[in-house]
Amino acid sequence: DAKTTQPNSMESNEEEPVHLPCNHSTISGTDYIHWYRQLPSQGPEYVIHGLTSNVNNRMASLAIAEDRKSSTLILHRATLRDAAVYYCILLTSNTGKLIFGQGTTLQVKP
Amino acid sequence: EAGVVQSPRYKIIEKKQPVAFWCNPISGHNTLYWYLQNLGQGPELLIRYENEEAVDDSQLPKDRFSAERLKGVDSTLKIQPAELGDSAVYLCASSRTTSNPEQFFGPGTRLTVL
Repeated sequence: DAKTTQPNSMESNEEEPVHLPCNHSTISGTDYIHWYRQLPSQGPEYVIHGLTSNVNNRMASLAIAEDRKSSTLILHRATLRDAAVYYCILLTSNTGKLIFGQGTTLQVKP
Repeated sequence: EAGVVQSPRYKIIEKKQPVAFWCNPISGHNTLYWYLQNLGQGPELLIRYENEEAVDDSQLPKDRFSAERLKGVDSTLKIQPAELGDSAVYLCASSRTTSNPEQFFGPGTRLTVL
């Protein structure tokens, strides 16, 4: 299973954009890039996923490098409720097997 | 739409005692997952069900852990006997199918083994 590398922690100010990086240099052609987040005392929550093209949804944007060896989750305006652990995960289609790393703990300062 | 329901939310037992966790997935979701999450770590998959069939149980410690999903809806995860190292949060998740990317997680059961 391909691995991802994320910074252990990041800080952001409220109402500013946040860019959460993820490296996945061993990604294969069939791996989708998924992002989940986990708020304190809750189960993980799906954020976004993509294969090759950049993706946008109501929660965030996902920017994928042209060689697919890295990606960036973008929160356009961080709020205090966005403070969580963000996981970048590679998922091979049809397996459903999420392999979580340690993720990035995002702190949002008022 | 109701989310994934798990019970109990918290459980404290003494070592060597049995314990069971219950999960009710989102209605219509065929795939059900059990994960274990140790403190400060990401969740780890224990078992995945497609309807009532366990299709991936390679990470389930079968000497003490067992799971079932009778009728392909609710599921139960059991530990017998529990050990001190089993203290963790046990998460249940469901998705419409395995190929659907979005997994919906329950709040988890926090187990403390004394």
